[in-house]
Amino acid sequence: DMKVTQMPRYLIKRMGENVLLECGQDMSHETMYWYRQDPGLGLQLIYISYDVDSNSEGDIPKGYRVSRKKREHFSLILDSAKTNQTSVYFCASSLWANSDYTFGSGTRLLVI
Amino acid sequence: SQWGEENLQALSIQEGEDVTMNCSYKTYTTVVHWYRQDSGRGPALIILIRSNEREKRSGRLRATLDTSSQSSSLSITAAQCEDTAVYFCATDFPGYQNFYFGKGTSLTVIP
Repeated sequence: DMKVTQMPRYLIKRMGENVLLECGQDMSHETMYWYRQDPGLGLQLIYISYDVDSNSEGDIPKGYRVSRKKREHFSLILDSAKTNQTSVYFCASSLWANSDYTFGSGTRLLVI
Repeated sequence: SQWGEENLQALSIQEGEDVTMNCSYKTYTTVVHWYRQDSGRGPALIILIRSNEREKRSGRLRATLDTSSQSSSLSITAAQCEDTAVYFCATDFPGYQNFYFGKGTSLTVIP
């Protein structure tokens, strides 16, 4: 069953805490992405990873960093979370850049 | 997104009606993807249309692409309640190795 798995599904953190969002895929896709989705703003690209240790900033990378040490796993890290990082975060993967995406079910993060 | 956008934000129709959603993009694209997102889930690809195609069909879905006007549409024939979802278009952009998503159109099909 080819899929993208995100953990956790729901997360509540206090402002200033560190946050780790994890994403895995079982399709051997080269490219992986992190997006955030906010009402009225659609999907905004945070980071893109072309393969292991080959990451590039997306449109809104400030306040985030990523790690990809294995092709099947891509992490999003928020160092010292802020309330404006409350959002739904989606991970996606594609066979290569610019092929169609497979999305995970999202992580709903609340920063209080 | 600066590269793709839907022209309507929300649509509400009766079951059995046909519906069309539009997407316009600002630069050349080689392909337009249409995704649907059910509540609480991630987007899922439902149909894609390439720049050398004018129309693509998949079941009750029909996508069109007009490269001269830089617009694409997604039509659903005889909509059913289970078609209720948010629909996004996504376009690629030369030189960028990712797709840009429109803000989405929320479709509600009323029984």
